[in-house]
Amino acid sequence: GAVVSQHPSRVICKSGTSVKIECRSLDFQATTMFWYRQFPKQSLMLMATSNEGSKATYEQGVEKDKFLINHASLTLSTLTVTSAHPEDSSFYICSARDPYGGTDTQYFGPGTRLTVL
Amino acid sequence: QKEVEQNSGPLSVPEGAIASLNCTYSDRGSQSFFWYRQYSGKSPELIMFIYSNGDKEDGRFTAQLNKASQYVSLLIRDSQPSDSATYLCAANFGNEKLTFGTGTRLTIIP
Repeated sequence: GAVVSQHPSRVICKSGTSVKIECRSLDFQATTMFWYRQFPKQSLMLMATSNEGSKATYEQGVEKDKFLINHASLTLSTLTVTSAHPEDSSFYICSARDPYGGTDTQYFGPGTRLTVL
Repeated sequence: QKEVEQNSGPLSVPEGAIASLNCTYSDRGSQSFFWYRQYSGKSPELIMFIYSNGDKEDGRFTAQLNKASQYVSLLIRDSQPSDSATYLCAANFGNEKLTFGTGTRLTIIP
C-alpha cells in the first residue's frame, strides 16, 4: 500500500507556542490530504480537508485561525497548531488519498502525539 | 446526517476462532467501504476495502457487503492474539471524505 509519513512523531511544548506537523506522501502524489485528531479512547475526528494549491476546508467547530493548514505540493501538507494550550494535547493523524486508487482509499500517517504543558 | 455505526465491544474471541465485526451505515448512496485496524497508541492501518455486493477475501480477512441491508462486515479467520485491536469501519458517502464508526475493540484470548 501507499506510504504516508508524519513528522515529528512526538512533541512536547509550552503553552502559547506554535507547533508545526508535516505530512508527506512518499510514493504517490496526493491531491487531497486530511487531518484528524483523536483523544484517548475516542474515535477519529476529522478536522479539515487539505487540497493542493487551495485553501483547506475545515469541519464545523474547528478554528481555522488556530489550526493552519498548508498544502503547498502534491506530497506535503502541514498543520500548524498556533498558540497551543493544554486542551490541544491530542494525537494528530494525517491521511492522504490515493487519487488513482478509484475507491477514495485513505492511507494514514503514523500520527503525532502533541503534549502542551 | 450520514452515519456509520459499530458495536463498541469489547468483543472477545478465543484464539483460532472466527471473529465477526459488523457495521451499518445510513446512506444507500454510499460508494465504498473500508476496514481499518488501529492498535493502541498507533494510527489506523488499512485492512481492506469493498465496493461491490458480496464477499471479498484477502488472506484471513473477508469483507462482506450487503447494500440492500446497508451493512458491511469483516470476518477474521483463525484469530491470533496479534489481531487484538480496535477495528474501524468507514464509508465514503459520495464525496472525498470518509465517515468513520466509533470502532469495535477486539480481544483475542489465547
